[in-house]
Amino acid sequence: GEDVEQSLFLSVREGDSSVINCTYTDSSSTYLYWYKQEPGAGLQLLTYIFSNMDMKQDQRLTVLLNKKDKHLSLRIADTQTGDSAIYFCAESRYGGSQGNLIFGKGTKLSVKP
Amino acid sequence: DTGVSQDPRHKITKRGQNVTFRCDPISEHNRLYWYRQTLGQGPEFLTYFQNEAQLEKSRLLSDRFSAERPKGSFSTLEIQRTEQGDSAMYLCASSLQGRGNTIYFGEGSWLTVV
Repeated sequence: GEDVEQSLFLSVREGDSSVINCTYTDSSSTYLYWYKQEPGAGLQLLTYIFSNMDMKQDQRLTVLLNKKDKHLSLRIADTQTGDSAIYFCAESRYGGSQGNLIFGKGTKLSVKP
Repeated sequence: DTGVSQDPRHKITKRGQNVTFRCDPISEHNRLYWYRQTLGQGPEFLTYFQNEAQLEKSRLLSDRFSAERPKGSFSTLEIQRTEQGDSAMYLCASSLQGRGNTIYFGEGSWLTVV
């Protein structure tokens, strides 16, 4: 996972926006993903973006992609305590034709009431 | 809503024993993946199947590991002669080729080798 980097921790207050950042290295990556993991659980797919897009919005989630800087961000509006979890950024290489997702180490989001 | 199902969810085994995990993918998905996740790390790719063919294996998949998907539906991951370093969560995922390659994960199988 060393090719995908994320900050390890983020703490916000309930109701604020959270922004989780990610950098990746492979310019050939075609899909970039955000997954959420709660303690002891598997990974929940939150959203993904195709590399020819620069923004995708889905309810409270906004994904921004800066392909030139290889920077991906996830913004969560009106963050709730239920959003507390670890968020993983992942890139799909080989044109998305295979399954080798490369994950970051995850950002632990803590939401304070 | 039948997502990716994994069994068992937790397994404690003694070093040197063999263990087997089963994964049932989402029913129409033709691709199936295995990943491993250790504490504080992101998941690491192990192997992937398209239908019954195993198309890619990571160098992490030592010769003590074997995965099968005999009929292109469920898959098993066997670890022989387990070592303490095998303690991890083993995640299965599936996707449908062509659908944006959206990959859905199961809840994982926790392995503790004592």
